[in-house]
Amino acid sequence: DTGVSQDPRHKITKRGQNVTFRCDPISEHNRLYWYRQTLGQGPEFLTYFQNEAQLEKSRLLSDRFSAERPKGSFSTLEIQRTEQGDSAMYLCASRYRKETQYFGPGTRLLVL
Amino acid sequence: DQQVKQNSPSLSVQEGRISILNCDYTNSMFDYFLWYKKYPAEGPTFLISISSIKDKNEDGRFTVFLNKSAKHLSLHIVPSQPGDSAVYFCAATRAQKLVFGQGTRLTINP
Repeated sequence: DTGVSQDPRHKITKRGQNVTFRCDPISEHNRLYWYRQTLGQGPEFLTYFQNEAQLEKSRLLSDRFSAERPKGSFSTLEIQRTEQGDSAMYLCASRYRKETQYFGPGTRLLVL
Repeated sequence: DQQVKQNSPSLSVQEGRISILNCDYTNSMFDYFLWYKKYPAEGPTFLISISSIKDKNEDGRFTVFLNKSAKHLSLHIVPSQPGDSAVYFCAATRAQKLVFGQGTRLTINP
């Protein structure tokens, strides 16, 4: 049973560097979501794809953030010119028809 | 504006007893509610959900109750087991995205 996978699991970077995260959803799931979770809070919605189309972006997603899902399968989330406030757990989720979203293990980002 | 609230940051329960986790929401347009369980350094794991047109859903040891007039839902775990110790998030959905509460840390004591 292959669930949602994310790579890398951990990333440490220096302020100002660019980072890219990858998410592979469950194979038949056409909807893919990115969330961000900071300490003591629940996950917050960032953006959502149906197939390759990016249908919604949160105001949390500044112009330094970009997400793609080029062939409607895996997705990437890039953060340019990272800031210390970007330190968080970045979570990817996918779903098919029912309302349930299934989450990956997350990528923990630390910006020094 | 916190649309989904879990007012208890932590809860401690004796093994074998019932655990009751609570969640309040403000947006009456939410159409589906879900509970997730999260261990440290892992992603949230789906537990159970309920449609807004129902008031109860049961799955094994887990039961979710929805009171729409009070805009309140609760998760009952009975009997509680040590492996249930984790952070529990309630979430609500409308128009695709999930809105999460802040989480409640549940500790099951032997």
